[in-house]
Amino acid sequence: AQSVTQLGSHVSVSEGALVLLRCNYSSSVPPYLFWYVQYPNQGLQLLLKYTSAATLVKGINGFEAEFKKSETSFHLTKPSAHMSDAAEYFCAVSESGGSYIPTFGRGTSLIVHP
Amino acid sequence: EAQVTQNPRYLITVTGKKLTVTCSQNMNHEYMSWYRQDPGLGLRQIYYSMNVEVTDKGDVPEGYKVSRKEKRNFPLILESPSPNQTSLYFCASSLSEADLNTGELFFGEGSRLTVL
Repeated sequence: AQSVTQLGSHVSVSEGALVLLRCNYSSSVPPYLFWYVQYPNQGLQLLLKYTSAATLVKGINGFEAEFKKSETSFHLTKPSAHMSDAAEYFCAVSESGGSYIPTFGRGTSLIVHP
Repeated sequence: EAQVTQNPRYLITVTGKKLTVTCSQNMNHEYMSWYRQDPGLGLRQIYYSMNVEVTDKGDVPEGYKVSRKEKRNFPLILESPSPNQTSLYFCASSLSEADLNTGELFFGEGSRLTVL
């Protein structure tokens, strides 16, 4: 069975500071991993994905994530936060060779202070 | 424009009054799904459909029904709504089940339901 844990329901940073949102997964087979972003009053949209190619994945708006198998992690980072990055971020996992239906984490709300 | 459209976007209703939330996609997607989003619980899947006339329960199906008579539509039915179904609901679609692994899951903008 697959599962995702997002550490921290809220993360607060200053504009220009590093953004780090944590995601750990559990999967019995090689996983596919995703980060989705939800801006206020909108649906979720795909930010980036890991599908067994390069372990460092670059997404939209300057975000990137690194797949670390030994740590079962897929943390999301951005070097410099913008006010427009304030949103809810969801990590998700699905299993290659198994059910393709993704399991979502509980979400992390990113707050950006001026 | 490729999109998933949900209606209504906002609804306040009373306990026991049947309601339907519609979902339509214009991308010829086979896979469609309903989620509910609650604070601290994230997204939980209610029902999903791999194709026309094929539906299956997700993690929290109690109190909900769905149907998939046409490829583009996947309505969510609350036969007798209760206050614990107050939530933000999302419909999502993907080209096929296999495409879910590419992360191509498209979401609607959400329907906020309040049951008094």
